[in-house]
Amino acid sequence: AQSVTQLDSHVSVSEGTPVLLRCNYSSSYSPSLFWYVQHPNKGLQLLLKYTSAATLVKGINGFEAEFKKSETSFHLTKPSAHMSDAAEYFCVVSDRWGYKLSFGAGTTVTVRA
Amino acid sequence: KAGVTQTPRYLIKTRGQQVTLSCSPISGHRSVSWYQQTPGQGLQFLFEYFSETQRNKGNFPGRFSGRQFSNSRSEMNVSTLELGDSALYLCASSLALLGTRGAYEQYFGPGTRLTVT
Repeated sequence: AQSVTQLDSHVSVSEGTPVLLRCNYSSSYSPSLFWYVQHPNKGLQLLLKYTSAATLVKGINGFEAEFKKSETSFHLTKPSAHMSDAAEYFCVVSDRWGYKLSFGAGTTVTVRA
Repeated sequence: KAGVTQTPRYLIKTRGQQVTLSCSPISGHRSVSWYQQTPGQGLQFLFEYFSETQRNKGNFPGRFSGRQFSNSRSEMNVSTLELGDSALYLCASSLALLGTRGAYEQYFGPGTRLTVT
């Protein structure tokens, strides 16, 4: 079985400062990992995806994530936070066939002006 | 391309009733998945359909069922509603192809907010 653990339930940053959202995964096979974002009262939007190609993955809106097998981590970063980044972020792992996604509990990001 | 659409967007039902939610995937996507989102349990996988066949199912009681039509549109049904069924129900579609291995991106709709009173 596969699972993810998001290490922070809430992260607060100032506008223009870096954002780091931490995620550890557990999988018995080479995992496919994703980060999704959910703005209030909206559906989920895919930020980026890792599927065993490059370990550093670039996504939309300036986000990127690094896959570290030795640490079983897939942390999400952004060099400079914007007010529009305030949302909930989910780290997600797929089952072997890509049919079923398992979500972390989510990290709520607050951006201070 | 139009995104995933879900109808209705909001629904209020009474305990014991049943409800049907609808999802239209992105054109060309044949895989449709359903998820339940609640504050207490987070996002949980309900089931996934491909070419009218259920390929995977989550740990939900039999009151939760779904189906997929030949045009890939999908419906999910919840019978004998309970207060705990109040949630945001999200549908996602994917290009996931039959017999292939790998993780295809899932694209989510805006969800249907179900309130059970």
